[in-house]
Amino acid sequence: EVQLVESGGGLVQPGRSLRLSCAASGFTFDDCAMHWVRQAPGKGLEWVSGISCNSDNRGYADSVKGRFSISRDDAKNTLYLHMNSLRPEDTALYYCAQGSETYYKTGYFHHWGQGTLVTVSS
Amino acid sequence: QSVLTQPPSVSGAPGQRVTISCTGSSSNIGAGYDVHWYQQLPGTAPKLLIYGNRNRPSGVPDRFSGSKSGTSASLAITGLQAEDEADYYCQSYDSSLSGAVFGGGTQLTVL
Repeated sequence: EVQLVESGGGLVQPGRSLRLSCAASGFTFDDCAMHWVRQAPGKGLEWVSGISCNSDNRGYADSVKGRFSISRDDAKNTLYLHMNSLRPEDTALYYCAQGSETYYKTGYFHHWGQGTLVTVSS
Repeated sequence: QSVLTQPPSVSGAPGQRVTISCTGSSSNIGAGYDVHWYQQLPGTAPKLLIYGNRNRPSGVPDRFSGSKSGTSASLAITGLQAEDEADYYCQSYDSSLSGAVFGGGTQLTVL
């Protein structure tokens, strides 16, 4: 059974940093692209970032480009999202999702975690 | 404003058929990129419902079906049941944005 467990969310002041983690199990982690998708309270889904299975290719939504960085540790089956210069509009539930392909630009989100809540407020 | 356009809400009585549209443009659906659909039940994470325009993952009832034509796609649900009440999202890839894009979501109410 595929399991994705996010952690690292919390309350943070504007301008500060946070690192999210996603522990994966139940599939061959290094065979799949991985993604972060967020959902602001009462709003829809927004793709944040994706990383290909070999870590050579990474992509970001315009709203986070230059502030967020995605990475993965295949030895630990863990995905990360490093978030810098956080803004109130980054407040959301952040989901980790397994990509269906090896390349992050293609495919769909096969399995999802339960999410970790990030609140940016002073 | 979302890159893919969905109606904010649809409704239907038990047993009826409803459709949810997803309209894109020449840089996403119209460019030939696949459309995928997700179901999000209240208070839960999204779940893959349809992939590759019309394919159902194992465990998804055949009451759910997807189609795509030109710059649009549709999700059809037949034999509506109370447990189908949820938010539904379409998703594709956009070449101008170089990333995945979602529709704004459609809230389905079973009357």
